[in-house]
Amino acid sequence: DIVMTQSPDSLAVSLGERATINCKSSQSVLYNSNRKNYLGWYQQKPGQPPKLLFYWASTRQSGVPDRFSGSGSGTDFTLTITSLQAEDVAVYYCQQYYNPPYTFGQGTKVEIK
Amino acid sequence: QITLKESGPTLVKPTQTLTLTCTFSGFSLTTSGVGVAWIRQPPGEALEWLAIIYWDGEERYSPSLKNRLTITKDTSKNQVVLTMTNMDPVDTATYYCARRPAHSLNIFDLWGRGTLVTISS
Repeated sequence: DIVMTQSPDSLAVSLGERATINCKSSQSVLYNSNRKNYLGWYQQKPGQPPKLLFYWASTRQSGVPDRFSGSGSGTDFTLTITSLQAEDVAVYYCQQYYNPPYTFGQGTKVEIK
Repeated sequence: QITLKESGPTLVKPTQTLTLTCTFSGFSLTTSGVGVAWIRQPPGEALEWLAIIYWDGEERYSPSLKNRLTITKDTSKNQVVLTMTNMDPVDTATYYCARRPAHSLNIFDLWGRGTLVTISS
């Protein structure tokens, strides 16, 4: 299984400031034939199901605000929220879909400082 | 509008078999590339992918749970059913079904609200 490890487990950021979440996979999720990273990001607010934010590591899902961005390649990925808003308080998960089982990270909780 | 909704028992006794149904609308599981997956989340914990069934009938399972899981589809009813045998208290979780939208894209773009299943005698 590909193990996904996120850091930090939680972070507190002031409104309007930048939040950065890291995700590391135990093996590369970059598929050489198409040069795509099989990595997605989700946001889960309390009491709600996860919401897809990004796929192919950096392709924003329709409707996701552009203050969110995804980057990285191979084994190291980052989700950045450039100007944190109150509605961004949530737990964020990365997920690899390079190989089954399609594993998730342990989650990163983002709070307001 | 695309929706998915999970249904099934909220309380199951240890050793019993759990049967969950995902009823969806707004898309078809006969469309090439589409799939429906089950994912669970124990209280306060992370997400765990369980199984997926694709438009062509192919099934894939989490290796750690493979011998306990069966996923089936009924395209005429727009339903996907997950059965899990020999339930244990550690299987207490919210169980979600979610759509896999297209070829090669085993991410989950639309989710049901989930159903909390408690395993207790």
